[in-house]
Amino acid sequence: NAGVTQTPKFRILKIGQSMTLQCTQDMNHNYMYWYRQDPGMGLKLIYYSVGAGITDKGEVPNGYNVSRSTTEDFPLRLELAAPSQTSVYFCASTLLEGQVGGYTFGSGTRLTVV
Amino acid sequence: ILNVEQSPQSLHVQEGDSTNFTCSFPSSNFYALHWYRWETAKSPEALFVMTLNGDEKKKGRISATLNTKEGYSYLYIKGSQPEDSATYLCAFRGGTSYGKLTFGQGTILTVHP
Repeated sequence: NAGVTQTPKFRILKIGQSMTLQCTQDMNHNYMYWYRQDPGMGLKLIYYSVGAGITDKGEVPNGYNVSRSTTEDFPLRLELAAPSQTSVYFCASTLLEGQVGGYTFGSGTRLTVV
Repeated sequence: ILNVEQSPQSLHVQEGDSTNFTCSFPSSNFYALHWYRWETAKSPEALFVMTLNGDEKKKGRISATLNTKEGYSYLYIKGSQPEDSATYLCAFRGGTSYGKLTFGQGTILTVHP
């Protein structure tokens, strides 16, 4: 049981480049989330999904896009990377609505845009 | 935008000391309050999920209390050990939030041997 798997762990991008952060969970969780963590700040929600085919914006969605074609996968796409997107990105998942449980987090992706 | 505040921002204690920190959150539309432990270079791990006013949860030397009417939760660590050094995050979940959490900025605990 792998939990939530994120790849890559580290990446350096040049300004204007694009990339996809991968997130996969094997716990059959319907709810999945992308957060970013900046120094001195709490985790900020970028996008979330309540099930395959359903996604919605969080607090800081600009410059990002997501898709949820399967229950397991929730990739985050950065188009036209900017230095402001330098951050640590965490993917997380949790059980169905109505069942109160903690998030399971991936190990994070440290992204630097230069 | 929901406001979730944690205090203090950082804390240094000696091994064996007991310590506590605070999380304040909106007192309306409450669904759950989460506590996570986050060690450097690792991912956050769930400690507690609290849903009922007056709830108290315990895991080993760590315990937490919840007051939803006034919007605060305390996390207590009894007899701190160096391995307790971590960032402790609280997160508020509102009633119509699709499981979305609003995180505080965390309390960084350092336990000195």
